[in-house]
Amino acid sequence: RKEVEQDPGPFNVPEGATVAFNCTYSNSASQSFFWYRQDCRKEPKLLMSVYSSGNEDGRFTAQLNRASQYISLLIRDSKLSDSATYLCVVNRRGSYIPTFGRGTSLIVHP
Amino acid sequence: EAGVTQFPSHSVIEKGQTVTLRCDPISGHDNLYWYRRVMGKEIKFLLHFVKESKQDESGMPNNRFLAERTGGTYSTLKVQPAELEDSGVYFCASSPQGDYGYTFGSGTRLTVV
Repeated sequence: RKEVEQDPGPFNVPEGATVAFNCTYSNSASQSFFWYRQDCRKEPKLLMSVYSSGNEDGRFTAQLNRASQYISLLIRDSKLSDSATYLCVVNRRGSYIPTFGRGTSLIVHP
Repeated sequence: EAGVTQFPSHSVIEKGQTVTLRCDPISGHDNLYWYRRVMGKEIKFLLHFVKESKQDESGMPNNRFLAERTGGTYSTLKVQPAELEDSGVYFCASSPQGDYGYTFGSGTRLTVV
């Protein structure tokens, strides 16, 4: 079983739709969680950190469920510019070394 | 503030040749990381420098890969001799001390033919 698993998609949604991605992790010692965004043939860029209490940044909401070992990313009112691959990233406690999921591809169409 | 810079952006070499990738981290970032993404797979950690010291090189595939960070500034990753399976995108990232947020470079796309 992979340490970080994501549904690769693609998720194909119309503009304005709400879309949610889940990511599961297998190591219960995981402590830090992030969502990164990667555009085609570009580098990953930090989208948001994920906190136990959940956090929101504009149209983006991230949540963490430690009991079930998954994190989620909700995107409301999707824009064409949201089309990208969303990477789930997990750090073990005390480690700077991240483990990446394979990413979930999102395509927002007019 | 200048970002993480990687050179070259693309490299096509023949099997058996040597290639050296370079990464210039953000100035003042003690942590420097190398990652690799092979087509269709997830991004994999290769190694981690703290200043000039190798903190963790558990992700290095084999002894054909050699990374250095002399003086704790830029880093190089040499592949010698290159094999077909070394093809992929090599990303470098840096972060300040004690910070889990990484800034990635735009990557070097290596193709071994």
